[in-house]
Amino acid sequence: GAVVSQHPSRVICKSGTSVKIECRSLDFQATTMFWYRQFPKKSLMLMATSNEGSKATYEQGVEKDKFLINHASLTLSTLTVTSAHPEDSSFYICSARGKSGAAEAFFGQGTRLTVV
Amino acid sequence: DAKTTQPTSMDCAEGRAANLPCNHSTISGNEYVYWYRQIHSQGPQYIIHGLKNNETNEMASLIITEDRKSSTLILPHATLRDTAVYYCIVRGTIYNQGGKLIFGQGTELSVKP
Repeated sequence: GAVVSQHPSRVICKSGTSVKIECRSLDFQATTMFWYRQFPKKSLMLMATSNEGSKATYEQGVEKDKFLINHASLTLSTLTVTSAHPEDSSFYICSARGKSGAAEAFFGQGTRLTVV
Repeated sequence: DAKTTQPTSMDCAEGRAANLPCNHSTISGNEYVYWYRQIHSQGPQYIIHGLKNNETNEMASLIITEDRKSSTLILPHATLRDTAVYYCIVRGTIYNQGGKLIFGQGTELSVKP
């Protein structure tokens, strides 16, 4: 399958700082990327959908000013957690999908964020 | 909200076939059935998807009932490395809800020696 690379895989930051997570599609053009978060022993929760060159669409209850998403190119999307707090500690996962209507989405390996 | 119902957990003996069921009784005509799995602390891995016909690839087979209200993922010869949470997801195309994947709780499959 196609390769989606997420970086960093693990990050620890101080409360109040911002953290940027990158998601790259390595061997295909990702017209759409999705960002999820996952708490321990829970399922993935969709946070937002981003299309290249346009503003992200956030799911209900997700603060767009706190979770900034940029999808500047067909191979790169970034998620910035601004002014992080301990409750933002979670596993963040990106997913990328190509152009065709039923194209499957491929996932990055995830980023474990710990805010101390 | 997730549109699928799966058993919470299942066990399977190593080397035997693992049959994972999924109910999606409210599926609409233009929605596909996708299966992903997630091994602990990793991103989900795509397995297979289908619309109406049964599908097979190197990883698994997908059997969709004629009325499309349920499906079964079959891992023909389960190994210990197949231990994971398996998610059955109903999804439209990019023209329908942006093609986003909404995850339910999935089935935790334990393959035992």
